[in-house]
Amino acid sequence: DSGVTQTPKHLITATGQRVTLRCSPRSGDLSVYWYQQSLDQGLQFLIQYYNGEERAKGNILERFSAQQFPDLHSELNLSSLELGDSALYFCASSQPGVVEQYFGPGTRLTVT
Amino acid sequence: AQTVTQSQPEMSVQEAETVTLSCTYDTSESDYYLFWYKQPPSRQMILVIRQEAYKQQNATENRFSVNFQKAAKSFSLKISDSQLGDAAMYFCALAGTYKYIFGTGTRLKVLA
Repeated sequence: DSGVTQTPKHLITATGQRVTLRCSPRSGDLSVYWYQQSLDQGLQFLIQYYNGEERAKGNILERFSAQQFPDLHSELNLSSLELGDSALYFCASSQPGVVEQYFGPGTRLTVT
Repeated sequence: AQTVTQSQPEMSVQEAETVTLSCTYDTSESDYYLFWYKQPPSRQMILVIRQEAYKQQNATENRFSVNFQKAAKSFSLKISDSQLGDAAMYFCALAGTYKYIFGTGTRLKVLA
């Protein structure tokens, strides 16, 4: 158990819908990262937050957005969902000044 | 741009034998870190080993060791005394400023 929690574990929804994925980082970690892993693919970096502020952006679609709240939990919002958005979405966190990221168990999103 | 390449989609190793997984990378940054992550069938991402680019000494964690060749931009993972529990996808990752880049992964099969 990495100490990073993600909810829900599984999510099934229809095309065109909007969902919110939630992540709670490990105690003491200020950075939160979001990744997308499509079937049998590597991880694609989406976005990073540090202490509530956006720090870096990767290949995140305009239909996707994220935020980090004062209690440091983070949410990833996915809207106008398409079949191709079906994937495993990981959240990871890290401590200030430390490079290692620790991953949550992921949220499996299925768009039908 | 940063890139990470894993040229071996799949590898097999006999139980108790040694196997080496390859990774090459490219970055223009002088300060970076390299990691190997393991993703078993549970899909959890587990940190296996890390290497700081400024350190010449190769990192070792129990049965796992790396061969870091900075000039060649090569970062291979050696697993000694392979065990059935080592069967997983292995991802090489490069961490530069604010971003992690993952390779496409190598699926390791361990044969009894």
